[in-house]
Amino acid sequence: GEDVEQSLFLSVREGDSSVINCTYTDSSSTYLYWYKQEPGAGLQLLTYIFSNMDMKQDQRLTVLLNKKDKHLSLRIADTQTGDSAIYFCAESKNDYKLSFGAGTTVTVRA
Amino acid sequence: EAQVTQNPRYLITVTGKKLTVTCSQNMNHEYMSWYRQDPGLGLRQIYYSMNVEVTDKGDVPEGYKVSRKEKRNFPLILESPSPNQTSLYFCASSPSGVETQYFGPGTRLLVL
Repeated sequence: GEDVEQSLFLSVREGDSSVINCTYTDSSSTYLYWYKQEPGAGLQLLTYIFSNMDMKQDQRLTVLLNKKDKHLSLRIADTQTGDSAIYFCAESKNDYKLSFGAGTTVTVRA
Repeated sequence: EAQVTQNPRYLITVTGKKLTVTCSQNMNHEYMSWYRQDPGLGLRQIYYSMNVEVTDKGDVPEGYKVSRKEKRNFPLILESPSPNQTSLYFCASSPSGVETQYFGPGTRLLVL
């Protein structure tokens, strides 16, 4: 969507780190999310970060939030073939509405 | 198994022929929502429901209706479908809001 922007494609070699970037426009966003969509499947919540945090780590995933620049990133360490998917950044402006980016297609090559 | 189910999974129809896509969840969730996914646009929220009999518009509600007569079901109704409603539709539910949504498998709709 217009409020949340992401690059459309990322190609990464197996074992390397992937970094997916996202920018958002609404400084009042309370939570920011990363979702993963595998081929032919629905969306799966990967992780989320509250707007007053700078960083969140969960196993191979690291989320960094720069509120000043309204920039969010997702780093996947030791990228595997199973990480090939579309990754969506999303922001919530209130408890009930969610705005998604267009999605970044990540391709992991051997 | 805790899940969100949608029916049908695939549907081809013609302009103007009313259709309903059903969504059901077995997790006793208060919140349910409908999204459409289009290439290059990501997911856009159509309607959401905070609880039984309480619904509200998302970002792209035009041409759609919803109802929430019981907690487990949240059908999406297209009274007079048009080709620009050709899309992939997802239903989602969560205990109370957008923060921990579970998504259904999607319904691919083609309107000729």
